[in-house]
Amino acid sequence: AQSVTQLGSHVSVSEGALVLLRCNYSSSVPPYLFWYVQYPNQGLQLLLKYTTGATLVKGINGFEAEFKKSETSFHLTKPSAHMSDAAEYFCAVSGVFGNEKLTFGTGTRLTIIP
Amino acid sequence: AAGVIQSPRHLIKEKRETATLKCYPIPRHDTVYWYQQGPGQDPQFLISFYEKMQSDKGSIPDRFSAQQFSDYHSELNMSSLELGDSALYFCASSLLWRLLSYNEQFFGPGTRLTVL
Repeated sequence: AQSVTQLGSHVSVSEGALVLLRCNYSSSVPPYLFWYVQYPNQGLQLLLKYTTGATLVKGINGFEAEFKKSETSFHLTKPSAHMSDAAEYFCAVSGVFGNEKLTFGTGTRLTIIP
Repeated sequence: AAGVIQSPRHLIKEKRETATLKCYPIPRHDTVYWYQQGPGQDPQFLISFYEKMQSDKGSIPDRFSAQQFSDYHSELNMSSLELGDSALYFCASSLLWRLLSYNEQFFGPGTRLTVL
C-alpha cells in the first residue's frame, strides 16, 4: 500500500519568498505522485503530477516538484510566493494500474505574509 | 469542456435520516470514485466503480452504500446519519484507456453534507 507524509501542517512565507512544501512517499514500487490545491470552500485542483519520464515536473501557477527516488520525496516549490497562493495543499499517491484510488497526505496550509 | 457534476451541492439532514448524493461523470468516463473530506481533514477514499462494478473499497461505513448505473452516473446512499458524517463528499471520474498508464481523475465540486 502506498502512503504519503507531509511535513508541516502549516507553512508561512513572505510574499515574494520561496515556497517549499515537503512530501515523502512510501511505496514498494515507484508510484504516481500528485499535488492538489484546495482553496477555502472549494474543490480539489490538480497542480502537477509525476507519472513517468522527467523527474522535474512543472505545473500550473508557477509550481514545480521533483521526484527523488533515492529520498522518496516529491517536494513542491515555487520561486516567488504570491498572495493568491494561500490555500491548502495536498500531496497524493496512487499505484500505477489505471484506475487506482488516490491516497492523500494530511495537507499543508500555506499562509502568505504581505 | 464538460466536468464532473455533483448534486446537490449542499445538503442538510438530521441525525438518523437518509441522504443520497449523486455524481455524473465526464461523458465516456467509465470509472467513478467517492472521497470523504471531514472538517480540517484530508480526503479519504470511500469506494470506486469501473464499468458498473465495484472496483475498490476503502473506509466506507456499512451504513453507506453506492452503485454505478448503466449511464455511468453513481449514487452514494447514506443511512442512519451521524454527526460525524458531516463532510465534503467528492466524486471523481476517469477513463481507463490503458491498464498500466496514468488515467487522470477529474474531481467534481463536492457535496457539503451537514448533519444536525
